[in-house]
Amino acid sequence: DAGVTQSPTHLIKTRGQHVTLRCSPISGHKSVSWYQQVLGQGPQFIFQYYEKEERGRGNFPDRFSARQFPNYSSELNVNALLLGDSALYLCASSLTGTQNTEAFFGQGTRLTVV
Amino acid sequence: AQSVTQLGSHVSVSEGALVLLRCNYSSSVPPYLFWYVQYPNQGLQLLLKYTTGATLVKGINGFEAEFKKSETSFHLTKPSAHMSDAAEYFCAVSDTGGFKTIFGAGTRLFVKA
Repeated sequence: DAGVTQSPTHLIKTRGQHVTLRCSPISGHKSVSWYQQVLGQGPQFIFQYYEKEERGRGNFPDRFSARQFPNYSSELNVNALLLGDSALYLCASSLTGTQNTEAFFGQGTRLTVV
Repeated sequence: AQSVTQLGSHVSVSEGALVLLRCNYSSSVPPYLFWYVQYPNQGLQLLLKYTTGATLVKGINGFEAEFKKSETSFHLTKPSAHMSDAAEYFCAVSDTGGFKTIFGAGTRLFVKA
């Protein structure tokens, strides 16, 4: 069975550019969450989506946005990239997004902003 | 607001020795508590979680953790370390809604032969 898949695995962008990261959840999972993990730190919550609706948002600027599609896949968009946006971006999927169901993480997308 | 503090950014043990990774949390509501493991260049894998009920939680790979409300702690233990346990470990807390999970800064476990 396929786990959570994220694409691309790595990418390099220039300051000021825009980036789109993609996540495909495990089949049957309706909730997707996004996290930013800066080197040497724990993951920071960015968004959670369930049934295509935003259910939670972390303390990130409006440059960060996301959406979930009818097939439950998701995109994370970051505009006007800053050097500080360099991080591992993790996607997690779960059946319902509540803590009664386990969240499964993808391997992440490593974003480098130069 | 919820928060997690992991004591010790690095812990080193000998193979076969006890593993103890410390985690203290802050929460204004009954918390859900988690331990995750992260191997290099990989995502996070759930080791165990506490929701309600029994305070001693057993997880995968021989790990367990005990929820102590009076101490606001959720320390992770394993009786005998194995070389394959070398990884980064994260403690996390969320509210019962589960919409937002707060992670600690992580503890890197080194296992010496």
